[in-house]
Amino acid sequence: EAQVTQNPRYLITVTGKKLTVTCSQNMNHEYMSWYRQDPGLGLRQIYYSMNVEVTDKGDVPEGYKVSRKEKRNFPLILESPSPNQTSLYFCASSSAGGREKLFFGSGTQLSVL
Amino acid sequence: DAKTTQPNSMESNEEEPVHLPCNHSTISGTDYIHWYRQLPSQGPEYVIHGLTSNVNNRMASLAIAEDRKSSTLILHRATLRDAAVYYCILFSSGTYKYIFGTGTRLKVLA
Repeated sequence: EAQVTQNPRYLITVTGKKLTVTCSQNMNHEYMSWYRQDPGLGLRQIYYSMNVEVTDKGDVPEGYKVSRKEKRNFPLILESPSPNQTSLYFCASSSAGGREKLFFGSGTQLSVL
Repeated sequence: DAKTTQPNSMESNEEEPVHLPCNHSTISGTDYIHWYRQLPSQGPEYVIHGLTSNVNNRMASLAIAEDRKSSTLILHRATLRDAAVYYCILFSSGTYKYIFGTGTRLKVLA
């Protein structure tokens, strides 16, 4: 089954403790991206990747890092999480950027205390 | 960057057509128009997308204005399962970024 898998589904952590949210897709997609969703603000793009070793900033990249060492994986790294990064995070992938549809993961609810 | 504007909420009766509008007056010539919907506790789900011409699929139709400054998502016969938040999104072919609107919450009345 074609899917985007995110882990974990829920995560509670404390300020400053490094964490990684994993994202994997099994569709051989070139394009992958991360979003955060906050009440009243909708979804906002954090980072995206056009292919292996090619990443770029979205609209809200501050406080986040990504890497794309393999085509299928696109982890989101928070080196020093802060409470304002408490949010619902989604990973998504596509075969050709915006020319084709995005497949979204089920989301990761992160709480930073 | 271009942005999208949508009504916060709309209501429809079951079995009737629904027209969800989106304004994107600052759209660029190579920006794609996407629509996704999101049910509670789920990730967004693809509905339809297009560039210049109107598009139809099994879920919906997308009507794009001739000047591309607005578009309308058409659900031909709303069902209770169509109740969701619908997002109109632009993809910039120049920057490879997706720009989301704040979405329209569709309520379907039985």
